[in-house]
Amino acid sequence: DIQMTQSPSTLSASVGDRVTITCRASQNISNWLAWYQQKPGKAPKFLMYKASNLESGVPSRFSGSGSGTEFTLTISSLQPDDFATYYCQQYKSSPYTFGQGTKVEVK
Amino acid sequence: EVHLVESGGGLVKPGESLRLACAASGFTFSGYSMNWVRQAPGKGLEWVSTISSSSSHIYYADSVKGRFTISRDDAGNSLYLQLNSLRDEDTAVYYCARSKGGAYDYWGQGSLVTVSS
Repeated sequence: DIQMTQSPSTLSASVGDRVTITCRASQNISNWLAWYQQKPGKAPKFLMYKASNLESGVPSRFSGSGSGTEFTLTISSLQPDDFATYYCQQYKSSPYTFGQGTKVEVK
Repeated sequence: EVHLVESGGGLVKPGESLRLACAASGFTFSGYSMNWVRQAPGKGLEWVSTISSSSSHIYYADSVKGRFTISRDDAGNSLYLQLNSLRDEDTAVYYCARSKGGAYDYWGQGSLVTVSS
């Protein structure tokens, strides 16, 4: 199975900060990577696919990059609604696996 | 608007069974692969099972293979997950999710399954 590792596990930030989350795959997944946002008690929300393609309706302050084994999710200017946990997921090879999550909390 | 609504969760004892359902609306259900993804309390996301459109391909995580069965009713716009021989470690919120390629673009609100003696 492909292992997905996110860093950091927790990130403390303030409104307006530029925030970057890293996701590393244990083997080459090309750009078969998705990002999700999850708030407590809610279902995950789909943000991005194929590493850098923003899903319709997702604010443009979110961006993604990377290919192969290293990927990043960047929030250019953190907004109050962005405090949440973020997960990456590879869909290059079954079983499709998720990272352990990165919690973005208020500094 | 796409809606996915799970039902059927509850409290069961180890070894017992449960059937989860997911009612879909707002899209052509028969044209999409569908999935179950679970999340244990305080933990991350774990893919459980996928069924392709027309049910031609079915996949399971190793952790549930032989115990869980995924199915779909395209006429009724519904997805199902039969959970047998439940274990403590199956305790989780179970989400149904629609496939977009191999990613999941729409999710239900989740159904809690608690396995405890």
